[in-house]
Amino acid sequence: DAGVTQSPTHLIKTRGQHVTLRCSPISGHKSVSWYQQVLGQGPQFIFQYYEKEERGRGNFPDRFSARQFPNYSSELNVNALLLGDSALYLCASSLAGSSYEQYFGPGTRLTVT
Amino acid sequence: GIQVEQSPPDLILQEGANSTLRCNFSDSVNNLQWFHQNPWGQLINLFYIPSGTKQNGRLSATTVATERYSLLYISSSQTTDSGVYFCAVGRNTGKLIFGQGTTLQVKP
Repeated sequence: DAGVTQSPTHLIKTRGQHVTLRCSPISGHKSVSWYQQVLGQGPQFIFQYYEKEERGRGNFPDRFSARQFPNYSSELNVNALLLGDSALYLCASSLAGSSYEQYFGPGTRLTVT
Repeated sequence: GIQVEQSPPDLILQEGANSTLRCNFSDSVNNLQWFHQNPWGQLINLFYIPSGTKQNGRLSATTVATERYSLLYISSSQTTDSGVYFCAVGRNTGKLIFGQGTTLQVKP
């Protein structure tokens, strides 16, 4: 079975642009979570979606938004990019909304210049 | 919110040595996971262990939920064990809170 997939692998954007990152969960998993990992730190929680509804939001500005589609795949959108948004963006999937083991994708490395 | 502290922050071992990594957390949790992050950034699941003891080959983990800590044991370390080890906890939500990680270097 395929694991969590993310696209693109790498991305270079300019300050002020917007970006869309995509994630497909493991087959049968209904929950997707997004994390941001800056160099030298542990991942930080951005959003969780379960059954197409937002179930949790981390301490990130409104420039960050996400959605989940009927096939449980998800998109993370970031508007008005800042240099500080440069990071590895990780997607995780789990069977359901809480207290279930999470499995991570390979990540999208975003560089903002 | 829940605080997660990992120790030591850095660890250098000779191949074949054993090690213990520790994760302390500040409140009760019902999800605790250990991950190994490889040089390409992939987080690899090692254990899902909110309580109890599990073993997988040369790795084992113990979580004592009542005392709010978890231990990851690596025996007979190999160079391929090098990387960053993260502990992450969750409580009644899908949000995982990560520690700062332990960076392990195994020398041949």
